[in-house]
Amino acid sequence: RKEVEQDPGPFNVPEGATVAFNCTYSNSASQSFFWYRQDCRKEPKLLMSVYSSGNEDGRFTAQLNRASQYISLLIRDSKLSDSATYLCVVNTEDTGRRALTFGSGTRLQVQP
Amino acid sequence: NAGVTQTPKFQVLKTGQSMTLQCAQDMNHNSMYWYRQDPGMGLRLIYYSASEGTTDKGEVPNGYNVSRLNKREFSLRLESAAPSQTSVYFCASRLRRTSRADTQYFGPGTRLTVL
Repeated sequence: RKEVEQDPGPFNVPEGATVAFNCTYSNSASQSFFWYRQDCRKEPKLLMSVYSSGNEDGRFTAQLNRASQYISLLIRDSKLSDSATYLCVVNTEDTGRRALTFGSGTRLQVQP
Repeated sequence: NAGVTQTPKFQVLKTGQSMTLQCAQDMNHNSMYWYRQDPGMGLRLIYYSASEGTTDKGEVPNGYNVSRLNKREFSLRLESAAPSQTSVYFCASRLRRTSRADTQYFGPGTRLTVL
């Protein structure tokens, strides 16, 4: 089982739609969580951190459920520019061997 | 402030050739990382350096070596390239490895093809 699992998609949605992605992680000792965005042939960039109480940044809302070990990202009022791959990222500070574990990503295509 | 820079952007090697991928950051970050990204596999950690003078293996270190030359620079070397090392390589840096909240910043990547 992968440490961080995501539905690869693609999610094809019309402009203005609301879309949600989920991600599950296997290590209950994981301490912090992030969503990254990666455009085609570009480097990953931090979209937002995910806090236990849930947090919002404009049209983006992230939620964390520690009991069920899943993280979600909700995008409201989708724009064409939201088309990208969204990476779920988990930070597990152990003896130091690895800090961030990346999911394989969920691809979003917003259509006019 | 350039952030994280990587050279070269593209490289084609023949099996058995060697090369070094260069990475530098100007954010005064302590920790630096090398990842590879393959289709459907996500980013996998090759090596990391928690601080200047230290390096440690990640998830997929075989066939690679690294050098943390100073606080700014972290290089990745392929001694004898193999087709299985065809991938996109990303360097990243982070202010403090043990911080709960801070995250990693990535360079633009190196696209490597081994024939």
